[in-house]
Formats: sequence, structure tokens, C-alpha cells
Amino acid sequence: TQLLEQSPQFLSIQEGENLTVYCNSSSVFSSLQWYRQEPGEGPVLLVTVVTGGEVKKLKRLTFQFGDARKDSSLHITAAQPGDTGLYLCAGVNDYKLSFGAGTTVTVRA
Amino acid sequence: NAGVTQTPKFRILKIGQSMTLQCTQDMNHNYMYWYRQDPGMGLKLIYYSVGAGITDKGEVPNGYNVSRSTTEDFPLRLELAAPSQTSVYFCASSQTSGRANEQFFGPGTRLTVL
Repeated sequence: TQLLEQSPQFLSIQEGENLTVYCNSSSVFSSLQWYRQEPGEGPVLLVTVVTGGEVKKLKRLTFQFGDARKDSSLHITAAQPGDTGLYLCAGVNDYKLSFGAGTTVTVRA
Repeated sequence: NAGVTQTPKFRILKIGQSMTLQCTQDMNHNYMYWYRQDPGMGLKLIYYSVGAGITDKGEVPNGYNVSRSTTEDFPLRLELAAPSQTSVYFCASSQTSGRANEQFFGPGTRLTVL
């Protein structure tokens, strides 16, 4: 069983559309991270959210951490083909990460 | 800096064979990790190390062994390969623990056991 549930599993949208990916857990984490992974490569960290209710923006990407520090969301505005990839959330407790199964995002030109 | 490097990139094993997946990092990180990634399952922690000479089991350690004789190297050993070990293996390292634990990943090793 996954400690972190991500939804949806797959998302295919047209360039210019918006999208949101969700990451939910019944466990509390000290922080939550979002990684992006491209085919044939390892995951790369996008952001770490630490405080309940925190919102972080990275250009067209907006990350939110739930008030109870159990869930998070990633919103992409005006998606571009370069946003295509596997998005993984990871709950952080000390030096160990617990990963969700990932959301595969495809942005069509 | 090369970051985290892994060898080989691809490997096919027969059932019962053994092999070592190599991982090296040049960032002087204390923490190192081995994960496996299966389709639709995310990354599962196999083993981790908090420093040279110290290793511990993760979520899915059965069938694997590790050692950490230096800060830089963290090899993963498969003794008797089984089809269930077909997966993509990632090595990662981090400087710190706790909330700011950013892990840096290698490019992965794709292993097939037939």
C-alpha cells in the first residue's frame, strides 16, 4: 500500500491549459517535496514545502501544503510541452522519503 | 562535479546470477540511498546509509545487500537474481537530514532478470 496517494495517475492536456495534481496521505510529514522525472533519468527536486498552509510559486508552478501537513497539490498554469514528465510527491520524515506512485503528465503541442 | 553516477546503465541477468550495481557521489554527502522503481509504484527504499560504515534496511531489503566503506561509494549487491528484481534502480545522496533533505539522484540502472 502507498503511504502517499497521488491523483490522477495520468493526465493529458493541450498546451495552454491548466492542470492540478494531488498528493494525499493519512500521515503527517515534517515536510513534503515534489520531484519531476524525465524518461531515462532520475527524479529532480522542484520544491520543498514545510509549513502547513504554505504556498510556493516556481514560475508557472504553484505548490500548496495542506494545513494539517498531510496533503499537497501542484498546479501548473498555461502548461507547455516542456512540462511533460512524471511528477512525484514525497513525504519527508528525518532522512527518509516516502514517495507517491507518481502522475504522468503529457502536454500536447 | 559529476554528482551521482551509476554503472551499468542496463543489464540483463539470468535467474540465480549475482551482480553489483555501482554508485558513486562526489558531493561529500553523508547520506546515501538505494531505491527501486516499478511501473505505477513510485520509488521504494531498499537500503540507506547515514555515513561510512553505517547501513540500514529500508522498505524492501530482501534479496539485496549493501556496504559503505567510503563516503563516496555505496554499491548494491544482488546475490541470487529473481524475476521479481526486474526494475529500475536509483541511487541517491543528500547532505542533510530532516525537512531540507534534498536528495540528488543518479541516472538509474535498468535491470532485467530472465
